[in-house]
Amino acid sequence: ETGVTQTPRHLVMGMTNKKSLKCEQHLGHNAMYWYKQSAKKPLELMFVYSLEERVENNSVPSRFSPECPNSSHLFLHLHTLQPEDSALYLCASSQETGWAYGYTFGSGTRLTVV
Amino acid sequence: KNEVEQSPQNLTAQEGEFITINCSYSVGISALHWLQQHPGGGIVSLFMLSSGKKKHGRLIATINIQEKHSSLHITASHPRDSAVYICAVRGGGSNYKLTFGKGTLLTVNP
Repeated sequence: ETGVTQTPRHLVMGMTNKKSLKCEQHLGHNAMYWYKQSAKKPLELMFVYSLEERVENNSVPSRFSPECPNSSHLFLHLHTLQPEDSALYLCASSQETGWAYGYTFGSGTRLTVV
Repeated sequence: KNEVEQSPQNLTAQEGEFITINCSYSVGISALHWLQQHPGGGIVSLFMLSSGKKKHGRLIATINIQEKHSSLHITASHPRDSAVYICAVRGGGSNYKLTFGKGTLLTVNP
């Protein structure tokens, strides 16, 4: 365990479903991130939250909706996804968003859209 | 062309061999990260570098800012080192984005 916990580990959903991914950290970090890792592609940043405020939305489609109710929890709400959205979704946290801080990653949620 | 290029893409070694994985980048950076990803998907942060060299156990990471190049070395490699090793760079200022390489798949055979 790295200190960043993601649930569920695996998720299969239909294109008309609504589901949510959850990320939790009790490291006292103030910044949290969602990343997407598609097959054969580098990781891509999706969203950045700093002290529960979204500070980066990296041109992500609106069918992905993040929520950060407090600095320990981060959600990614999913609706009307496409098969090409199947990927590993990774959550990460850092003390602050500045460049001098390292990242702690979760184990990821493997999402399959059918 | 990706801003972060890693080589080799795949590497197979025998247990005990010295391993080198290279990372070249084309942009100015504030920090470079080396990450390890095991088959289950989870990522572990190995090093964060802005200059010089860092060592942790059998792992050594170096960076040459002028040449925009970093290397990750593994001494006395072991089958449990088998994983994907990913290089990522962070720009300066308020740019939150990490730009990732495609990773190097390392397989260490007993």
